[in-house]
Amino acid sequence: NAGVTQTPKFRVLKTGQSMTLLCAQDMNHEYMYWYRQDPGMGLRLIHYSVGEGTTAKGEVPDGYNVSRLKKQNFLLGLESAAPSQTSVYFCASSYKDRTGELFFGEGSRLTVL
Amino acid sequence: GENVEQHPSTLSVQEGDSAVIKCTYSDSASNYFPWYKQELGKGPQLIIDIRSNVGEKKDQRIAVTLNKTAKHFSLHITETQPEDSAVYFCAGTYKYIFGTGTRLKVLA
Repeated sequence: NAGVTQTPKFRVLKTGQSMTLLCAQDMNHEYMYWYRQDPGMGLRLIHYSVGEGTTAKGEVPDGYNVSRLKKQNFLLGLESAAPSQTSVYFCASSYKDRTGELFFGEGSRLTVL
Repeated sequence: GENVEQHPSTLSVQEGDSAVIKCTYSDSASNYFPWYKQELGKGPQLIIDIRSNVGEKKDQRIAVTLNKTAKHFSLHITETQPEDSAVYFCAGTYKYIFGTGTRLKVLA
């Protein structure tokens, strides 16, 4: 059972380039989340989804877009990367919103030069 | 919006001592209070949680206590061991906003 899988695990971008992070879960969870983690800032919610075809903004959505075309996948896109987006990105999924355990992936480390 | 504050940001204890981490939340509607542990290079993992209809929950050496009137909940780790060294996060569950984390170091 793979759980939550994130690809790629590492990526280096130049300012202005675009990329997509893929999150895949095999637990049939309805809810999926993207967080970024920066030193001293904890985990900050970027976007989340409460079901296939739906997305919503979190705490820090600017500069990111997301899509949930299939229930098992949640994509995070950066259209024009900036150095401020250098971070570790975590995807998570849960069966229930608000009152259920989040299952996290191993993280994707992104560096924007 | 929802606000979650976690203290302290770092905590060092001697092996065998107890550690306490506190989290305060702002949303009165919150009814689920989880704690996560993050080891180096990994994603956070749930270690214990509590729902609003109980005041305390224990699981071996870890416990969580909840004070809904004061809007805070705490993580208690007793008889700390080196493998308890990690970063711990609480979360407010209106939108699953996390606290800023506590780096716990258990000194041998």
